Amino acid sequence: GAGVSQSPSNKVTEKGKDVELRCDPISGHTALYWYRQRLGQGLEFLIYFQGNSAPDKSGLPSDRFSAERTGESVSTLTIQRTQQEDSAVYLCASSFSTGSYEQYFGPGTRLTVT
Amino acid sequence: SQQGEEDPQALSIQEGENATMNCSYKTSINNLQWYRQNSGRGLVHLILIRSNEREKHSGRLRVTLDTSKKSSSLLITASRAADTASYFCATEGTYKYIFGTGTRLKVLA
Repeated sequence: GAGVSQSPSNKVTEKGKDVELRCDPISGHTALYWYRQRLGQGLEFLIYFQGNSAPDKSGLPSDRFSAERTGESVSTLTIQRTQQEDSAVYLCASSFSTGSYEQYFGPGTRLTVT
Repeated sequence: SQQGEEDPQALSIQEGENATMNCSYKTSINNLQWYRQNSGRGLVHLILIRSNEREKHSGRLRVTLDTSKKSSSLLITASRAADTASYFCATEGTYKYIFGTGTRLKVLA
């Protein structure tokens, strides 16, 4: 079956522009997660959704970052006024539910801010 | 940083040897998971161990968990060149996942 998909796969943007990253989770997965991975580093947890709700937004790096999910399906991560330090791979994962379930990861969006 | 720590950061072994990597974490957890990441397949889930479990096996993988020491180990037996990848532990507490910094494993043919 279809896995988690993300678009675009690569995004190059100028500093100060807004970007929108999209994640399509596995159908039926109620939990969705966003992570950031800088080159050569581990994953930094950003936010999770249970259904369309994001109970804890404290992992978002700044108020320039926001995320939403609709229809218990697609999620978008928006970064406003991008900065060079936002350059990273943004990974999305989904799981059957929150808690003790494995996460299925998408291929990521590589964001480069010039 | 809330990230867990993997040890060693890098490991190079010959094909057929066993590889052991360790993970330490800081907070109480519900479960701990191990993931593998390589350029070909991205991040893939390997195994999940719950906080009330001490050891778990899956094929050539053996995971242990010591909640008193807040640590876990992943053993890969009879390693293969295809096991070359970065390995991350991830701890879950109240639905938030904290990933470790990763161990880069290189298996030489």
